[in-house]
Amino acid sequence: AQSVTQLDSQVPVFEEAPVELRCNYSSSVSVYLFWYVQYPNQGLQLLLKYLSGSTLVKGINGFEAEFNKSQTSFHLRKPSVHISDTAEYFCAVSGVTGNQFYFGTGTSLTVIP
Amino acid sequence: EAQVTQNPRYLITVTGKKLTVTCSQNMNHEYMSWYRQDPGLGLRQIYYSMNVEVTDKGDVPEGYKVSRKEKRNFPLILESPSPNQTSLYFCASSPPGRWTEAFFGQGTRLTVV
Repeated sequence: AQSVTQLDSQVPVFEEAPVELRCNYSSSVSVYLFWYVQYPNQGLQLLLKYLSGSTLVKGINGFEAEFNKSQTSFHLRKPSVHISDTAEYFCAVSGVTGNQFYFGTGTSLTVIP
Repeated sequence: EAQVTQNPRYLITVTGKKLTVTCSQNMNHEYMSWYRQDPGLGLRQIYYSMNVEVTDKGDVPEGYKVSRKEKRNFPLILESPSPNQTSLYFCASSPPGRWTEAFFGQGTRLTVV
């Protein structure tokens, strides 16, 4: 099975500053990796995913993430955040031959005006 | 509009009283799944279904049942709810051949007293 660790439960950041949300995974098999965002009182929305190919993945709303196999990491970054980026962010993993997602515990990003 | 619809959105019930949370998608998706979200634990998968009449257990299936008699619907059944099943529940679906692209419903907040 796979597992995900999100190292920061809360990340406050000032508007227009850069942000990195950290995610490490554990797996004995090849993996797919994902970042989801959850705005207040809403379901989860896919931000980006890594399936194969280029290790730098670009997603919606200006976010990107880099898959680092040697460090088993998939950190999410944005060079300049907006107030509207305030949300809960979840990292998730699945095995390439599996049918299940395993989610991290989430990181609450708060953008301060 | 393409969407995953859960009902009800909010439910308060008493211990032992059977209940069903419905999930319906209008995108002809084959893959559907149920999650529960608890503070500090992230999302955990309860059950998933690869297609009609095909269901399988996720990480936390105890106390839950599902059925998949038709492609669009995937109800979650709690035969005898207990207070430890108080949680926020999400249904998700994925397109054929792209199960990694999950679309989430708005969530159902269940309280068992």
